[in-house]
This record gives sequence, C-alpha cells and structure tokens, in this order.
Amino acid sequence: GAVVSQHPSRVICKSGTSVKIECRSLDFQATTMFWYRQFPKKSLMLMATSNEGSKATYEQGVEKDKFLINHASLTLSTLTVTSAHPEDSSFYICSATTGANYGYTFGSGTRLTVV
Amino acid sequence: AQKVTQAQTEISVVEKEDVTLDCVYETRDTTYYLFWYKQPPSGELVFLIRRNSFDEQNEISGRYSWNFQKSTSSFNFTITASQVVDSAVYFCALSGANTGNQFYFGTGTSLTVIP
Repeated sequence: GAVVSQHPSRVICKSGTSVKIECRSLDFQATTMFWYRQFPKKSLMLMATSNEGSKATYEQGVEKDKFLINHASLTLSTLTVTSAHPEDSSFYICSATTGANYGYTFGSGTRLTVV
Repeated sequence: AQKVTQAQTEISVVEKEDVTLDCVYETRDTTYYLFWYKQPPSGELVFLIRRNSFDEQNEISGRYSWNFQKSTSSFNFTITASQVVDSAVYFCALSGANTGNQFYFGTGTSLTVIP
C-alpha cells in the first residue's frame, strides 16, 4: 500500500513554455502533499506544502507565480512550472502523507530539462 | 531549528567491506521521526527505515543496521558486507511533530562500492 505515482518521469521542454507535473496517491487519501526540488548532486529542498482544498504554502525564495501548485483533491496535486527557463531544469519529487508521521511516501520524481 | 548533517559527502569501499554512514540531527521537538532513504541513479527515493524519537532500539534488517543514539543526536546507518548494488546516494531525514510533518533532509552521502 501507500503508493505515490508521479508523472511524467522525464520531460524536455522549450524555454518559455509551461510544464505540468502530477502527483497522485493511488491507494490512500493524501491530506498533505509536499513538493521538493533537487539539483544535481545536492539534497532535496522543500519548495511548498499543499493541503487539499487550500492554497499551498511556499518556502522562502520559491516563486509562487512560477511554480503553481494545485491540490484539488485528496489524491492529486499538480506542480506547474510556468514560463520555464533553463535554470528551472532540475529533479522534482513529491511526497504525500495521510497526516500521520508514518505515512510518508515519495513519488518517483520528474527530471525536467528546459532547452 | 531542524537540521540534519551528513558530514560524509562521498565514500568508496571495496565490495564486502562494512561501511557506516553518519547522520547527526538537531531538533527542538520532543516527538520526531528519523528516516533513511536510498536514491539510486534512477532518482527515486527508496524508503529504508523510520525511527521515532521514543524508540532507541537499534534495528537490523539483513545487511543493514541502524544505531540511534539520542544522547549524541545521531542515527547512523551501517551496511555490512557491501555489494555493488548498494552504490547510491543515501539521505538521512528528520520530521518533527511540531513542524507540520515537513521533512528535513541531510545533504546525502554518495556511496560507491567497488567490485
């Protein structure tokens, strides 16, 4: 149980376009989903926390207008990178929880390359 | 403040050697959880273990063992008889009960097992 599906696993897009990444909890209801970003050979940095039905809480330094997060249902959260630039190229990974600390499951990540 | 420190950036060992990955944490929470994740080159995070702050029992799972020492705020991970398939980046992480279930990751230790 506790599977999180993240799609797509890899995406290449042109500068200026927008890319949507989906994070789905397949067999549980995720009250909270987290979005992380990982630069090459670096740690995972929390970008934002999203609770179902409410606005996401962004970490300091993360542009909310650039990284749009929607958590419209208990099983789906989306991250949209708007007007992508090469510096947005990174590995993005989501995690989902039921609210109890034992309920953390990570998606398999999305490698975004902006050309 | 919540913080996880993995002082070892890269480690190389020869196959069949034992290796210990260090993790030191800081937290003001009295209830918290510690995790270890493995990240192979493909990028996904593979859950290895979760330990809550009230359980200082060491744990062994096959070739893996974990040593939780609250007195030194450490949660070290040992792989015995290492294998090439153990080559990956290993992350230690902390989640506190009073910080909204957010994960704080260490910077990771890249382990290379040489055949």
